[in-house]
Amino acid sequence: RKEVEQDPGPFNVPEGATVAFNCTYSNSASQSFFWYRQDCRKEPKLLMSVYSSGNEDGRFTAQLNRASQYISLLIRDSKLSDSATYLCVVNALGAGSARQLTFGSGTQLTVLP
Amino acid sequence: EAGVTQFPSHSVIEKGQTVTLRCDPISGHDNLYWYRRVMGKEIKFLLHFVKESKQDESGMPNNRFLAERTGGTYSTLKVQPAELEDSGVYFCASSRGLAVQDTQYFGPGTRLTVL
Repeated sequence: RKEVEQDPGPFNVPEGATVAFNCTYSNSASQSFFWYRQDCRKEPKLLMSVYSSGNEDGRFTAQLNRASQYISLLIRDSKLSDSATYLCVVNALGAGSARQLTFGSGTQLTVLP
Repeated sequence: EAGVTQFPSHSVIEKGQTVTLRCDPISGHDNLYWYRRVMGKEIKFLLHFVKESKQDESGMPNNRFLAERTGGTYSTLKVQPAELEDSGVYFCASSRGLAVQDTQYFGPGTRLTVL
């Protein structure tokens, strides 16, 4: 079983649509949670951190359920520029108190005009 | 502020050859990480430096991979000898500290192809 599981998609949605991505993680010792965005053949970039209380950044809302080990990302009013791969990322203490990022495989989103 | 830079952007080598990848972290970032993505798989952690010290190398696949960070500035990742399964994209990341709020910033990656 993968440590971080995501629906690979692809998700093809029209502009203006609301789209939700889900993610589950297996390591209950995970301490911090993120959504990264990766454009084609580019590096991953932090989209937002995810907190237990849930957090919102403009059109983006992230939720964390520690009991279910479940993370979500909601994108409202999708824009063409939102087309990318969205990576669910979990951070647990590794050996020697390092902070390894553990990545999901990513969910591909295409927003259509 | 300059971001994480990596060199080369692409490398094509033959099986059995040696390749050295370089990463320059963001200035002032003590923490430097190497990750890689092989075809069809997720990005995986390789190792972590704090300054010049290897903090965690639990993700290094085997002893053909050697990472160094002499002087605690830039880092190199050498693959010797390269095998076909080493093909993929090697990302470097850096962070200022280890707190939750210390974001890991990624470089553009080096795309390695082993023929």
